Amino acid sequence: QVQLQESGPGLVKPSQTLSLTCTVSGGSISSGDYYWSWIRQPPGKGLEWIGYIYYSGSTYYNPSLKSRVTISVDTSKNQFSLKLSSVTAADTAVYYCARRPRAGHFDYWGQGTLVTVSS
Amino acid sequence: DIQMTQSPSSLSASVGDRVTITCRASQSISSYLNWYQQKPGKAPKLLIYAASSLQSGVPSRFSGSGSGTDFTLTISSLQPEDFATYYCQQSYSTVFFGQGTKLEIK
Repeated sequence: QVQLQESGPGLVKPSQTLSLTCTVSGGSISSGDYYWSWIRQPPGKGLEWIGYIYYSGSTYYNPSLKSRVTISVDTSKNQFSLKLSSVTAADTAVYYCARRPRAGHFDYWGQGTLVTVSS
Repeated sequence: DIQMTQSPSSLSASVGDRVTITCRASQSISSYLNWYQQKPGKAPKLLIYAASSLQSGVPSRFSGSGSGTDFTLTISSLQPEDFATYYCQQSYSTVFFGQGTKLEIK
């Protein structure tokens, strides 16, 4: 059974960079069948896709966030990471990592981690 | 961008009711439509992928249909554990989720 677990600071100051890591267990991140994704959800609101990465390092980002987002992968640790720069209060959200098969759905999700942007 | 519009935004129903939630795409997305259930404080759970394929382990009272621009999620007989928020998601192009449908107990 694949499991994903987000980790990282729960509080980030405005204008700084948000950094999160997702650790995958029960399966290899180097499997060619999946993309590894970040999705966020502001409190009380809907879901917003941030981007995803293939094990080779190819990335695909939401155009609305592309200028501020970097997703990277470390296959040796079976982890992938998110960096979101120049954060504001609007970036306060629960951040989820998820697995995306080639068909485009998200079949396994982490439990989510709340990141608050505040001074 | 292909936008997704769900209706209704909220719905009250009783245990045993048949419920239908609709998702409309702003342009054709073939069958690249997925459905999720989310309970408070929990991650979304995949119910239906590719418009009508039931995810493993999901009860058969959940079903999906549609293609092109109009899609439906049907729960044939509501159970107490089904009261949650439901989202559609298109995977045809840049990923977008619908705004959600909150299903509440009548």
